[in-house]
Amino acid sequence: EIVLTQSPGTLSLSAGERATLSCRASQTVSGSFLAWYQQKPGQAPRLLIYGASNRATGISDRFSGSGSGTDFTLTISRLEPEDFAVYYCQQYGGSPSTFGPGTKVDIK
Amino acid sequence: QLQLQESGPGLVKPSETLSLTCSVSGASISHTTDYWGWLRHLPGKGLQWIGSIYYTGATYYNPSLKSPVTIYIDTSKNQFSLRLSSVTAADTAVYYCAKLHKIGGFDFWGQGTLVTVSS
Repeated sequence: EIVLTQSPGTLSLSAGERATLSCRASQTVSGSFLAWYQQKPGQAPRLLIYGASNRATGISDRFSGSGSGTDFTLTISRLEPEDFAVYYCQQYGGSPSTFGPGTKVDIK
Repeated sequence: QLQLQESGPGLVKPSETLSLTCSVSGASISHTTDYWGWLRHLPGKGLQWIGSIYYTGATYYNPSLKSPVTIYIDTSKNQFSLRLSSVTAADTAVYYCAKLHKIGGFDFWGQGTLVTVSS
């Protein structure tokens, strides 16, 4: 199965700063079938990005995804207070679908 | 607005069967061409896809799971369900049901339900 590695494990930033999160796959993710989620404590994950770069319905344009092959990036252009959360990547190009371990974005 | 809600026991004994149901409102399972899925958040280990089911009943399971899995759909009740047999403490997790976006990713989720496997 495809193993996803996310870095950094924790990202400490201030509101208004730019966040860059990385997701690396152990093998090529076919079709760029990669999604990003945001999860806050006690809540279900929320889909942010699908197909590596497509924003899900209702997602702010502060969130953008890029990448292909084995390297993918989620960028949050200017952090808002509600953006401090854990972010997961998921690949669904290979079976089984797998998730990365997450990057926690916390307040500096 | 589409809503999903998990229900089932919060405590299951080792070697027994974990059974959960996802009730869907705001859309008819039998009138959409969507996939529906079960996932879980294992403590300290992150998210794991368990399996998915199409409205026709076709199923896809994660072969990495040690406990046998069955997912089935009841269109008359607008529900789909998960059965995990012979569970162990390693199956303790928050279980989520979700809808798969047509181009990938799960775009609607239930609130999640904690299931503890313990005697």
